[in-house]
This record gives sequence, C-alpha cells and structure tokens, in this order.
Amino acid sequence: DADVTQTPRNRITKTGKRIMLECSQTKGHDRMYWYRQDPGLGLRLIYYSFDVKDINKGEISDGYSVSRQAQAKFSLSLESAIPNQTALYFCATSARGQGTDTQYFGPGTRLTVL
Amino acid sequence: GENVEQHPSTLSVQEGDSAVIKCTYSDSASNYFPWYKQELGKGPQLIIDIRSNVGEKKDQRIAVTLNKTAKHFSLHITETQPEDSAVYFCAASIRTGANNLFFGTGTRLTVIP
Repeated sequence: DADVTQTPRNRITKTGKRIMLECSQTKGHDRMYWYRQDPGLGLRLIYYSFDVKDINKGEISDGYSVSRQAQAKFSLSLESAIPNQTALYFCATSARGQGTDTQYFGPGTRLTVL
Repeated sequence: GENVEQHPSTLSVQEGDSAVIKCTYSDSASNYFPWYKQELGKGPQLIIDIRSNVGEKKDQRIAVTLNKTAKHFSLHITETQPEDSAVYFCAASIRTGANNLFFGTGTRLTVIP
C-alpha cells in the first residue's frame, strides 16, 4: 500500500551494529505496528502503538525497541543486531474505532545480519 | 495467547479449479478473522474478512466460512486464475482492547495455466 512506506527496503549489516528501520504513513491512522516475517512462521508482532504516548510490547519484543516520533512515524531499532534477526520486517497501520479492524501493511524491509 | 494453525502450506491447482485453505484458532474469545494475500516483494493485503456474528461471507470469487463451535475458518477461491498465485495468510484477533492479529504460517498457492 503506497500510503505506508518503509525505509530502507533492503539492508545488510554486521553483528553488533545498531540499525533503525523507519515507517511513515499518510493514512491518518492512530495505530501502528511492527511485524517480523520468517519463512514458515508467518508474521509475528514485535511492538504496537495506539498513539504517540502509547507503546506496547508484542509477541517477540526482546532485542528490539521502538519510537513513535509523531502520529505518522514509527521506527523500529535493533540496538545490537544478531544473525537470527535476519528477516523481513513489516510496518502496518489501522484506524481506531468500531469496524476499523483492517491493518494496512507497508512493502517491507529485508534485513540481513551477517 | 492465540494460536492459529493453517493448512496446507503449499497448494497447486489448475486454472479454473477451486482452492480451499483452512485455519484453526485456539482462543474462543477471538471474533475477527481476516485473510491477507501477499504477492512477491509486497506487503500483505486484506482480501476478505469475517466477524464472529457471521457464518459466511462472499466477495466475487472469494468466500470465507467460519465455524465458531469447531474454531475453524476457511478461504475458498473459485475459478482460480494465474494472478491468484500468491501466499495467503489467515489471522485471528479479539476486536476489543489491543486488537492484535495472530497470523497463520501461510499457504503458497500456485495456479497452473
């Protein structure tokens, strides 16, 4: 969905390096999410944010941190990358309110940690 | 937490045939069940969803059925076309509160022309 953008699209880094993945959205949604996708495991939730002041851990938050700089921006950081964090990372957004369950995904960032 | 299982992991069908993907969930409190399609190099996109107060929903060639008693739901694609080839994910969530999605492991559908 072009309304949700992620940068970079691809990144190769080395073990121990700090990495930041960025997500921006123009959909005006309050809620933003970070997921990780691994082959055979589907998508797993890392962190989610319901507004700028509300950050929550997801299923697999260890080794990750996030920052919600504005309603439209949500960044994911790996403080000290390790090889098993090699994966495809997706940002998603959704609106708040009844009947607004749909999550809209960005194009993904492929991260390789050597 | 919620556990969603999805079968099969791969599915090949001839163009024009039907395809069925099945999912089960563990948390009886889940009440929202979306299906996402992921094409190569892209993020997942919602194709259809169903809420627990409905047993079936249809949108052109795509339909989803839900059996709350058995805690399973299925995606049905009729008259498959090559452009239906993609990875499909089911998910489940509880619409109140966090509304976090729990995804199945995906089904790679290949439609053979």
